[in-house]
Amino acid sequence: NAGVTQTPKFQVLKTGQSMTLQCAQDMNHNSMYWYRQDPGMGLRLIYYSASEGTTDKGEVPNGYNVSRLNKREFSLRLESAAPSQTSVYFCASTTLSGSSGREQFFGPGTRLTVL
Amino acid sequence: AQSVTQLGSHVSVSEGALVLLRCNYSSSVPPYLFWYVQYPNQGLQLLLKYTSAATLVKGINGFEAEFKKSETSFHLTKPSAHMSDAAEYFCAVTKGNTGFQKLVFGTGTRLLVSP
Repeated sequence: NAGVTQTPKFQVLKTGQSMTLQCAQDMNHNSMYWYRQDPGMGLRLIYYSASEGTTDKGEVPNGYNVSRLNKREFSLRLESAAPSQTSVYFCASTTLSGSSGREQFFGPGTRLTVL
Repeated sequence: AQSVTQLGSHVSVSEGALVLLRCNYSSSVPPYLFWYVQYPNQGLQLLLKYTSAATLVKGINGFEAEFKKSETSFHLTKPSAHMSDAAEYFCAVTKGNTGFQKLVFGTGTRLLVSP
């Protein structure tokens, strides 16, 4: 199993450009998440998908959109990139059934720089 | 709403010394608590979790944490630090027994281990 995979690993954009970050998991998980990590701020939730067919805003959704393409894939789109979106982006997944004490599995991250 | 506070953005120890990373939580309902570790240029991985069973939780790599309700704390300890423990550590909280999991992360503590 590859676990959670993310593409690309690195990306440099100019202000105003758009791009889509891809995430896929092969663990048959229901729930998927997008986080951003900034120095001194920990991980903040951007969007999440509790199950296939649903998406919801997290703590910092402005400037982003998401698509839950199928059970495996959850993409994050920046329509018009801004320097404030320079960050490391992580995708994660977990199962939905049972209690909320389950492990989230994280991808390796995408390092995005917006000039 | 749930939240966690990690005291100390950086902690420095010598190899062989005790590691103590602090986490205090705020929750209006019984929480589930997690410690995740992030090695350089990698995603996060679960170190250990508290899900209302035993209050002393043992994790991977010799780490353990004790849930203290009276102190609203979940501090992470390891008796003897190893060079390979150098990483960033995140405490996280979620509501217990809700099915869907939404984690709230602390700002992280970077552990530095010197020879």
